[in-house]
Amino acid sequence: AQSVTQLGSHVSVSEGALVLLRCNYSSSVPPYLFWYVQYPNQGLQLLLKYTTGATLVKGINGFEAEFKKSETSFHLTKPSAHMSDAAEYFCAVSVDNNDMRFGAGTRLTVKP
Amino acid sequence: DAGVTQSPTHLIKTRGQQVTLRCSPKSGHDTVSWYQQALGQGPQFIFQYYEEEERQRGNFPDRFSGHQFPNYSSELNVNALLLGDSALYLCASSLAFAGDPLETQYFGPGTRLLVL
Repeated sequence: AQSVTQLGSHVSVSEGALVLLRCNYSSSVPPYLFWYVQYPNQGLQLLLKYTTGATLVKGINGFEAEFKKSETSFHLTKPSAHMSDAAEYFCAVSVDNNDMRFGAGTRLTVKP
Repeated sequence: DAGVTQSPTHLIKTRGQQVTLRCSPKSGHDTVSWYQQALGQGPQFIFQYYEEEERQRGNFPDRFSGHQFPNYSSELNVNALLLGDSALYLCASSLAFAGDPLETQYFGPGTRLLVL
């Protein structure tokens, strides 16, 4: 069965600094990988997803993630943090879209 | 184009009671999945409905049941509520056969259930 581990339950960066949120996955078959963002009292919004093809995936709001099979990782990055990026971020893995497995989440705080 | 909608937004129940949560999928979507998100945790897959049948189920007891209607909307029912059932319940919709090997799931805002 597939699973996801997010390293770091809380990450704090200064406004304008690099954002790096770590995600490692486990899957017995080629996975589909996702990053979702959740703002307070809201549902999940898809930032980006990897299915096949190019391993560097660009998403909304300036975020991108790179699928590294050799490292079983799918880390999320953004070159310059904005105050509006403060939220909870979830990495997820799926093999058939019937059952998405989510990580525990990383809370991103952006300091002025 | 309305996205995924859920009702109610908040709900308070007592132990032993039963609850029904409702979800309307995004326009054009035919598949509905339900997730439970406990405080401070990631969502956990409960089950998925397609063509009015449960297609796949996560590791949840039979107290959790669902239904999908001909218009693709769905209900999640939880019987004999426990304190541990307190959580945000998220509904996600997708299109089963979109030509994309993995059509994106779109999430609703959730129903926050508190069991006292």
